[in-house]
Amino acid sequence: NAGVMQNPRHLVRRRGQEARLRCSPMKGHSHVYWYRQLPEEGLKFMVYLQKENIIDESGMPKERFSAEFPKEGPSILRIQQVVRGDSAAYFCASSGRGGSGNTIYFGEGSWLTVV
Amino acid sequence: QQQVKQSPQSLIVQKGGISIINCAYENTAFDYFPWYQQFPGKGPALLIAIRPDVSEKKEGRFTISFNKSAKQFSLHIMDSQPGDSATYFCAASSSGGSYIPTFGRGTSLIVHP
Repeated sequence: NAGVMQNPRHLVRRRGQEARLRCSPMKGHSHVYWYRQLPEEGLKFMVYLQKENIIDESGMPKERFSAEFPKEGPSILRIQQVVRGDSAAYFCASSGRGGSGNTIYFGEGSWLTVV
Repeated sequence: QQQVKQSPQSLIVQKGGISIINCAYENTAFDYFPWYQQFPGKGPALLIAIRPDVSEKKEGRFTISFNKSAKQFSLHIMDSQPGDSATYFCAASSSGGSYIPTFGRGTSLIVHP
């Protein structure tokens, strides 16, 4: 499967714990985007990364959230000290290059539930 | 500020009917307009996309109509089928910015048999 791979698909965390969501982009892709989806709120952009660089994190909450895309390995979205409001589906997407008109391909998502 | 406004929020259509979903944007720098289809428990998948140099693009039963002066674009699904029941998102991006697609809030389409 050469698609965007996300894991875990489902994650349950207690309030105050940490959540780590991983994303392996499509083969040959070096651009990764993270989106959060809440019911009836569509897809909210969080962060855009290239290998080893954060290009745009304007949609990411300033506290508790961080993202990385190391030279080797998957991109990771990290949520520290989770709260119930963090419960959502988190989607990763990748593209082969930046620039408008470049299709981004989504993974199947990671569903985070905070109890 | 919602840069891409999508309507309706939900839509019910009979099998064989036409489904129409509309989107309006504000940023005149947007120059790429894709539509995504999402089934429950799945990630969004690209359905069809258009650039502002054409007013219409058709792929099978799916057609995008684009009105640059009105800053509006719409998705038409002809001969709608129950298998088309899904959530549809319009999006827009700009080659003059950071290229990050901005999405509408989505339309939940139900096609009754």
